[in-house]
Amino acid sequence: SQTIHQWPATLVQPVGSPLSLECTVEGTSNPNLYWYRQAAGRGLQLLFYSVGIGQISSEVPQNLSASRPQDRQFILSSKKLLLSDSGFYLCAWTQGETQYFGPGTRLLVL
Amino acid sequence: EDQVTQSPEALRLQEGESSSLNCSYTVSGLRGLFWYRQDPGKGPEFLFTLYSAGEEKEKERLKATLTKKESFLHITAPKPEDSATYLCAFRDYGGATNKLIFGTGTLLAVQP
Repeated sequence: SQTIHQWPATLVQPVGSPLSLECTVEGTSNPNLYWYRQAAGRGLQLLFYSVGIGQISSEVPQNLSASRPQDRQFILSSKKLLLSDSGFYLCAWTQGETQYFGPGTRLLVL
Repeated sequence: EDQVTQSPEALRLQEGESSSLNCSYTVSGLRGLFWYRQDPGKGPEFLFTLYSAGEEKEKERLKATLTKKESFLHITAPKPEDSATYLCAFRDYGGATNKLIFGTGTLLAVQP
């Protein structure tokens, strides 16, 4: 069966520090992968998606970037965090037409 | 502009008190309406996909229905463990790579 992992689960970072969040998927090959952010009381906002290694599409201009160095690995990064980057970050993958989500990373920027 | 609106924002029910959550959408062409359940601090859990008006799907105490303009999530005789945020999303026609547009969710609290 397929599983999706995210780490770390929780992260507290100072403003201006770098960021690296990792997402890996097991039990499937060549999945479409997605990064979402969920602010408190808000819906999920799609940040990036990837259809293959090295292929990244950005949905909104922002302080973040994404990379896909391996087929089942998706990384969300920032060189300098802003206060507004705080939120709940979710990775997802697609099987058929359904997206399945990982457990998420809670990021607090202070 | 394609968008999805969920109502109410929050709903408090007594155990056993049935109710419905609403998800209305305006899209140029629907390629799937999705319902998810999200517990606090966790990722959304997939519940249902509906594709055409008149379609219904059930899972335990939950039943999802779809019309041309909205979807309902009916909760029959809810239990406290049904407490969660319920999210709906649509995949728009012509959208690439299964991009989903999410509503802001309905926070359901079921009291014993």
